Amino acid sequence: SQQGEEDPQALSIQEGENATMNCSYKTSINNLQWYRQNSGRGLVHLILIRSNEREKHSGRLRVTLDTSKKSSSLLITASRAADTASYFCATETGKLIFGQGTTLQVKP
Amino acid sequence: KAGVTQTPRYLIKTRGQQVTLSCSPISGHRSVSWYQQTPGQGLQFLFEYFSETQRNKGNFPGRFSGRQFSNSRSEMNVSTLELGDSALYLCASSLALGETQYFGPGTRLLVL
Repeated sequence: SQQGEEDPQALSIQEGENATMNCSYKTSINNLQWYRQNSGRGLVHLILIRSNEREKHSGRLRVTLDTSKKSSSLLITASRAADTASYFCATETGKLIFGQGTTLQVKP
Repeated sequence: KAGVTQTPRYLIKTRGQQVTLSCSPISGHRSVSWYQQTPGQGLQFLFEYFSETQRNKGNFPGRFSGRQFSNSRSEMNVSTLELGDSALYLCASSLALGETQYFGPGTRLLVL
C-alpha cells in the first residue's frame, strides 16, 4: 500500500514558471525524500528532509515539511524543459515507501 | 565513483520460468534495496539488505527472494513467473539504512 499521496497527479506549465507538488502521508516518519524519474529510467535523488526539519533548499528546489499535517511540498522555481519528469515523494519509516508521483511537463 | 549497476537491463521470460537479477551497489555502500515499478501499482518496496542480512521486506509473495553477498552485491530471484511480474525492477544502494538511496537504471522484465 502507498504511504504517500501526491497532488496533483499531472502538472503542465510553461518554461520559467514555478511548479509545486504536494505529498501527504499517514504515519510518523524518520525522513521524507523526493526523487525524479525520467521516462521509466532509474530514479534520481533530489532532497532528503528529516522529521525535525521544516524547510530545505537545493538550487532551484525548495522542500517543506509539516509533520503536524503530515505533508510536504516540492517547489521548483524558474522551471526548464529539462525538468519534465515524474516526481515522487518517499517516506522513510524503516523502509522507503513511495507515492504514486506527479508527472510534470514543462513546455518550452 | 561508479553508480549502481544492474544486469541485465532487459529480459524476456515466459510464464513459469524463474529469473535472477543482479545489482552492484556504489562502492562503500552496504545497504541495497529492491523495488518493483508497474504502471498500475507504482513503485513498491520489495526488500532491503544490509551486511548480508535482510532487514525489511515488502508485501510480496514468497516467489520473490533475494540475497546479499559479502561484497554488498545483491541478487533477487523470482520463481514461477507470472504475467503480472512484468515490471521495471529497480535496485538502490545507500551508505546506511534509512539514508539517501541511489538508484540503478533498472532491469525491465517482460513475462510472456
